[in-house]
Amino acid sequence: DAGVIQSPRHEVTEMGQEVTLRCKPISGHDYLFWYRQTMMRGLELLIYFNNNVPIDDSGMPEDRFSAKMPNASFSTLKIQPSEPRDSAVYFCASSTRGGGSSYNEQFFGPGTRLTVL
Amino acid sequence: QKEVEQDPGPLSVPEGAIVSLNCTYSNSAFQYFMWYRQYSRKGPELLMYTYSSGNKEDGRFTAQVDKSSKYISLFIRDSQPSDSATYLCAMSKSGGSNYKLTFGKGTLLTVNP
Repeated sequence: DAGVIQSPRHEVTEMGQEVTLRCKPISGHDYLFWYRQTMMRGLELLIYFNNNVPIDDSGMPEDRFSAKMPNASFSTLKIQPSEPRDSAVYFCASSTRGGGSSYNEQFFGPGTRLTVL
Repeated sequence: QKEVEQDPGPLSVPEGAIVSLNCTYSNSAFQYFMWYRQYSRKGPELLMYTYSSGNKEDGRFTAQVDKSSKYISLFIRDSQPSDSATYLCAMSKSGGSNYKLTFGKGTLLTVNP
């Protein structure tokens, strides 16, 4: 299995531009997560989906951020308009259902390093 | 106060040393306790997890959870240069919320040959 695939790996853009990050989860996984990692705040959950439906978006910082999952094999995270403070590494992760005493591992992609000038 | 606190280090040790990493937390609802390892410019990968209290051992790694003190630890025995990475603790609640992870900021570990 190829693991979680993210694109692009690096993105440099100017303030005010639209940014779209892409993720392909591991086949058969029905949970998909978007995280953001910065030195100041660490790794934070932005939103997660179950069976393509957004379940919890309480971590999305503001309306400039939106995420979609049109099918089981593809998700996007969009920032419009982008700001310098959005500079971070954005990770996508996927997992299968856990529950009880069982924890189902979240498998992380390699991340997209975003720089907003 | 953040829900999960972790000393960012950095921590530098000689090869073969015993390493102790730890996190404290404030939310008593956390039931799942994980340690992730993140190599430079890579995504985190799960190292170990523990459900509720107790110890768990996997090779050179031991995870401990003390729910009464809201304190978790990861011990690495006979540390190797390949253990050099950032170690992130993570926690989640039981039931339907066990997918929502809260992470510590991570501790950067360097094992010197």
